[in-house]
Amino acid sequence: KAGVTQTPRYLIKTRGQQVTLSCSPISGHRSVSWYQQTPGQGLQFLFEYFSETQRNKGNFPGRFSGRQFSNSRSEMNVSTLELGDSALYLCASSSDDNYGYTFGSGTRLTVV
Amino acid sequence: DQQVKQNSPSLSVQEGRISILNCDYTNSMFDYFLWYKKYPAEGPTFLISISSIKDKNEDGRFTVFLNKSAKHLSLHIVPSQPGDSAVYFCAARANFGNEKLTFGTGTRLTIIP
Repeated sequence: KAGVTQTPRYLIKTRGQQVTLSCSPISGHRSVSWYQQTPGQGLQFLFEYFSETQRNKGNFPGRFSGRQFSNSRSEMNVSTLELGDSALYLCASSSDDNYGYTFGSGTRLTVV
Repeated sequence: DQQVKQNSPSLSVQEGRISILNCDYTNSMFDYFLWYKKYPAEGPTFLISISSIKDKNEDGRFTVFLNKSAKHLSLHIVPSQPGDSAVYFCAARANFGNEKLTFGTGTRLTIIP
């Protein structure tokens, strides 16, 4: 069974630009969650999508958005990038009940 | 508001000895707890979990203990091996709906050969 695939693995963007990250979940998993990891802050929850609908949302500004397609693949978008958005962005897929996540390897975003 | 806290950012343990990683939580609605392990440049991988109806769960060298009255859980690794060097995250979820996992800030464990 293929794991969770995140693309790209690394990204360098300039302040003010926007970025789109992609996540393909494990086949059969309909839930996709996004987390931001920064040093000292652990994994901060961004949002979760289930069957193309946002099911949970964290406390991030509106510059962070996401969507999920009918094949369960998900994208997250960050607009008007700030230096503080530099982080590892992790995607996790789970079965319907959310009792266990499988993570991708993440996308390392650097904003300069 | 950090509902899941790992107060030790780092821990060093001699190879062969016991590693104890601690985690505290504040939300009394949490009923399922997990530990994840993360190596650099990789995503976290699931290690072990425990439901609130238990106070202990064991899987090989890994044991998780849950003290609900103290809102505290711990992960014991015995014996510690060099490959255990990683960042460990505890996570929790509430017992209603399809709640998300809430993660702690992580503890970097270093096993000294």
